[in-house]
Amino acid sequence: DTEVTQTPKHLVMGMTNKKSLKCEQHMGHRAMYWYKQKAKKPPELMFVYSYEKLSINESVPSRFSPECPNSSLLNLHLHALQPEDSALYLCASSQDLRQSGANVLTFGAGSRLTVL
Amino acid sequence: QQQVKQSPQSLIVQKGGISIINCAYENTAFDYFPWYQQFPGKGPALLIAIRPDVSEKKEGRFTISFNKSAKQFSLHIMDSQPGDSATYFCAASDRGSTLGRLYFGRGTQLTVWP
Repeated sequence: DTEVTQTPKHLVMGMTNKKSLKCEQHMGHRAMYWYKQKAKKPPELMFVYSYEKLSINESVPSRFSPECPNSSLLNLHLHALQPEDSALYLCASSQDLRQSGANVLTFGAGSRLTVL
Repeated sequence: QQQVKQSPQSLIVQKGGISIINCAYENTAFDYFPWYQQFPGKGPALLIAIRPDVSEKKEGRFTISFNKSAKQFSLHIMDSQPGDSATYFCAASDRGSTLGRLYFGRGTQLTVWP
């Protein structure tokens, strides 16, 4: 199984809603990532978890709250978002941040979020 | 400040032609240079990658050329096919730096006409 599965594929929410994006991988990867991608732009790193601990937070607003319940799951909790937060949210995983080889990322298909 | 500069922004090539996308970087600590391919509605997928100890890497119709002294690398797609139409991102990372960070170029939207 070489997939990163993200749910839901599409999400529409109001600015007062609370919702969550979910990500799952069963490749035994120990690093997991959240990226945000706007149309015609490259992915922007938001958070990195390594061995279920938050390693990097790229100064993301607190209305985005990541959670890593176990080595296979990664959640992104959303609350009081703004219309400019509408984007494709990508989850990715890699084997290990500390391995001597390359940091090869496997991306999911993304969750397309629209904030009204 | 953009760590990896990519050009062109868009590229139109006829079927069977050669597609060339160029990237440049400044940080000499970078030691891993992947290319990602992204189709509409999908996440990016690793296409091919190179390390600075080799000048060229070929996988099928895809070749990375790497010029360490010029701090440039490029992707060549030989015999381009309509199925290659996608957005291509070059990237770079430094395995010794802050963990987990890949620096992406701005992307090139490739269209291959049949």
